[in-house]
Amino acid sequence: GESVGLHLPTLSVQEGDNSIINCAYSNSASDYFIWYKQESGKGPQFIIDIRSNMDKRQGQRVTVLLNKTVKHLSLQIAATQPGDSAVYFCAESIQAGTALIFGKGTTLSVSS
Amino acid sequence: EAQVTQNPRYLITVTGKKLTVTCSQNMNHEYMSWYRQDPGLGLRQIYYSMNVEVTDKGDVPEGYKVSRKEKRNFPLILESPSPNQTSLYFCASSTSRRGELFFGEGSRLTVL
Repeated sequence: GESVGLHLPTLSVQEGDNSIINCAYSNSASDYFIWYKQESGKGPQFIIDIRSNMDKRQGQRVTVLLNKTVKHLSLQIAATQPGDSAVYFCAESIQAGTALIFGKGTTLSVSS
Repeated sequence: EAQVTQNPRYLITVTGKKLTVTCSQNMNHEYMSWYRQDPGLGLRQIYYSMNVEVTDKGDVPEGYKVSRKEKRNFPLILESPSPNQTSLYFCASSTSRRGELFFGEGSRLTVL
């Protein structure tokens, strides 16, 4: 069925380390993926997206990697800062016109 | 400033007392949607609207109604709230159904 899951519900890192948040998806027909960040008491915010014709996309301090062979998505955050502490969601979409399906989220805690 | 505004942000009500959560966006987005967020279940779509007077059910529509009389507004109506509708609700808008979603700050509803 359609589902988006994350490998770990929580991740704790030290300030300055690189963080890797993983997401496994089950539908090989998914062709569009988004990562969202949700800080405490706020709504989710768009971080970065990637289409299935790409393997990697970089933003400011973030990189998303897509491995279609094993249906795996990851978000890498370089030089993690306390302000990066939040819940991170991946979302997938199977085709144009269909809604995004959200995973359950990974809570990233950054200690200084 | 581009934003999605929800009201109220917090509400405690009693079973059966009709309530409306308002949502307004200033980005001229055609697509708007309501989600509920519950621990362990992630974000689940309640209803969505592709444009004015065009609405459709999401994954968990039972007990909710919506309307889209104007492009900027998309209120969520609970005709007879029940305790299982206690949740954190998010309104979101976008240029398309699976594009980058802009979320409101959330409305925390408690039904006693």
